[in-house]
Amino acid sequence: NAGVMQNPRHLVRRRGQEARLRCSPVKGHSHVYWYRQLPEEGLKFMVYLQKENIIDESGMPKERFSAEFPKEGPSILRIQQVVRGDSAAYFCASSPPAAHGYTFGSGTRLTVV
Amino acid sequence: AQSVAQPEDQVNVAEGNPLTVKCTYSVSGNPYLFWYVQYPNRGLQFLLKYITGDNLVKGSYGFEAEFNKSQTSFHLKKPSALVSDSALYFCAVRDTNAGKSTFGDGTTLTVKP
Repeated sequence: NAGVMQNPRHLVRRRGQEARLRCSPVKGHSHVYWYRQLPEEGLKFMVYLQKENIIDESGMPKERFSAEFPKEGPSILRIQQVVRGDSAAYFCASSPPAAHGYTFGSGTRLTVV
Repeated sequence: AQSVAQPEDQVNVAEGNPLTVKCTYSVSGNPYLFWYVQYPNRGLQFLLKYITGDNLVKGSYGFEAEFNKSQTSFHLKKPSALVSDSALYFCAVRDTNAGKSTFGDGTTLTVKP
């Protein structure tokens, strides 16, 4: 019974490149959430998705960031033209459609050089 | 709007002593409250939740939390701390059955032998 799988665990990108972060939720979980954790800071909400729908993207920067959760396959968080300030740990979480806590992945640590 | 405050950045206790990690919240409706623990370089792990019912909620690893509606608090407690409890603890709240959770900034718990 696999938990939330995120890959890659570590990602290094040069400024201006694209970063693609993948998240496979727990089997049967239809809700996916992305959070960002900056060094020495808490978790900041980015986006909440259900299959093929973005439900709440109020935490997503207006430019360069996008997310999807297709009918088939993992959820993808995409950052275009990365800058040094994008360096952070990005966590994906999933939950069933009920009042449950989240199951978190181990995160992707993005470093922009 | 929903928010969480964890007033203590750091809590230090001696092994075997009781511990409390504080959390207060603000939501517009009925709160759904959660505690998570994060070990270094790992994702968050769900500890316990309050949705409705008994104000004292029991969770994993011997932790419990007390919901106090009048004080809008949800403090995490454990009767006897272990060195292995040392970690970063996050309180979270949401005001709906499903949807984004807002996390506090975290409290670092250090349990000394």
